[in-house]
Amino acid sequence: AQSVSQHNHHVILSEAASLELGCNYSYGGTVNLFWYVQYPGQHLQLLLKYFSGDPLVKGIKGFEAEFIKSKFSFNLRKPSVQWSDTAEYFCAVNAVTGRRALTFGSGTRLQVQP
Amino acid sequence: GAGVSQSPSNKVTEKGKDVELRCDPISGHTALYWYRQSLGQGLEFLIYFQGNSAPDKSGLPSDRFSAERTGGSVSTLTIQRTQQEDSAVYLCASIDGGRGTGELFFGEGSRLTVL
Repeated sequence: AQSVSQHNHHVILSEAASLELGCNYSYGGTVNLFWYVQYPGQHLQLLLKYFSGDPLVKGIKGFEAEFIKSKFSFNLRKPSVQWSDTAEYFCAVNAVTGRRALTFGSGTRLQVQP
Repeated sequence: GAGVSQSPSNKVTEKGKDVELRCDPISGHTALYWYRQSLGQGLEFLIYFQGNSAPDKSGLPSDRFSAERTGGSVSTLTIQRTQQEDSAVYLCASIDGGRGTGELFFGEGSRLTVL
């Protein structure tokens, strides 16, 4: 079964700082990869996803993520964060074949200080 | 409505009681997930329904937990003999069966408090 690790549990940044949140997964087969975001008081929503093709994917609000297959990683990046990016970020993976339930990481709480 | 609807939004119960949580997915979505979100624990997978296939129950934490999906639409998560450690937000999400965008659409969740 697949698993997902998010190593940063709580990140505090100042506005305009650059962001990189780590995500590693363990699964030997082909996977789909996702980042979801949960803003305070809101439900989870999709930030970006990777299915195939260009390993650098761009999502909403200036976020991007790079799939590095050799490292089993799908790190989330943003060059310059804003106060409104304060939220919890979840990496998720599912197998293309076999058990297809979407597995989430434990989440990273991002706090952006004005 | 157009989104995933969950009820109740809040439930307070006494230890040992049974509770039922309901999820009404987006019309036409063939797959449905239940997750549990506890403080500091992220999203814990509980169960996954995909069309008429046997559900993936591998995430259910004990036999006190069960779920069903009637008519390929509404799902009910039942927790029997609730314990304090069951306190969490229970999230439901639906998807169009893995085709299309592959995006999960989440409900607002049902917050369960077991006293």
